[in-house]
Amino acid sequence: DTAVSQTPKYLVTQMGNDKSIKCEQNLGHDTMYWYKQDSKKFLKIMFSYNNKELIINETVPNRFSPKSPDKAHLNLHINSLELGDSAVYFCASSQGQANEKLFFGSGTQLSVL
Amino acid sequence: AQSVTQLDSQVPVFEEAPVELRCNYSSSVSVYLFWYVQYPNQGLQLLLKYLSGSTLVKGINGFEAEFNKSQTSFHLRKPSVHISDTAEYFCAVRRGASGNTPLVFGKGTRLSVIA
Repeated sequence: DTAVSQTPKYLVTQMGNDKSIKCEQNLGHDTMYWYKQDSKKFLKIMFSYNNKELIINETVPNRFSPKSPDKAHLNLHINSLELGDSAVYFCASSQGQANEKLFFGSGTQLSVL
Repeated sequence: AQSVTQLDSQVPVFEEAPVELRCNYSSSVSVYLFWYVQYPNQGLQLLLKYLSGSTLVKGINGFEAEFNKSQTSFHLRKPSVHISDTAEYFCAVRRGASGNTPLVFGKGTRLSVIA
């Protein structure tokens, strides 16, 4: 079984649309993250949740809204998609906030046309 | 603010040759340092980390890194690489142990092992 799974793997959509990416982890971790990796492979954290509570919220446009219905899930909803949102989005989880061993999903490649 | 600089964006190396991937960090306080590896079409995996203690850290797959405080470096090394080591390698830093300070990643170094 995949430890951190995110869907869809590929997402192609037009500007202005609203889309969601789902993430689930079956590791029993209490902390989950969303990272964005741009075309130059630069990886930057967007959000971090611990026990369903928002812990880290980096300078991300408010078009991006994470939702954590329970500890095992952290979904990412994006409104009014823009060309610059095209990237690979990675979900990750860890046990505890200060645990640097992150387990990553395989990524969602978002292409905004 | 803390930042991570990976000086080489690409490193080609022949199979069974040694390799060193360079990483420098900047921070005014003590930091925790990490190396992650990303294989094609996969998420990142932790290779090794330095939190405290011995400055030479051994990780998975035969990799090791040395923390050098005076040079603010945390270079990754492997004495003999394999084709399967071809991947993107990311150095990362966290300031202190607080979970409210996120991991900051470098821009990555693409290691290409040539047969």
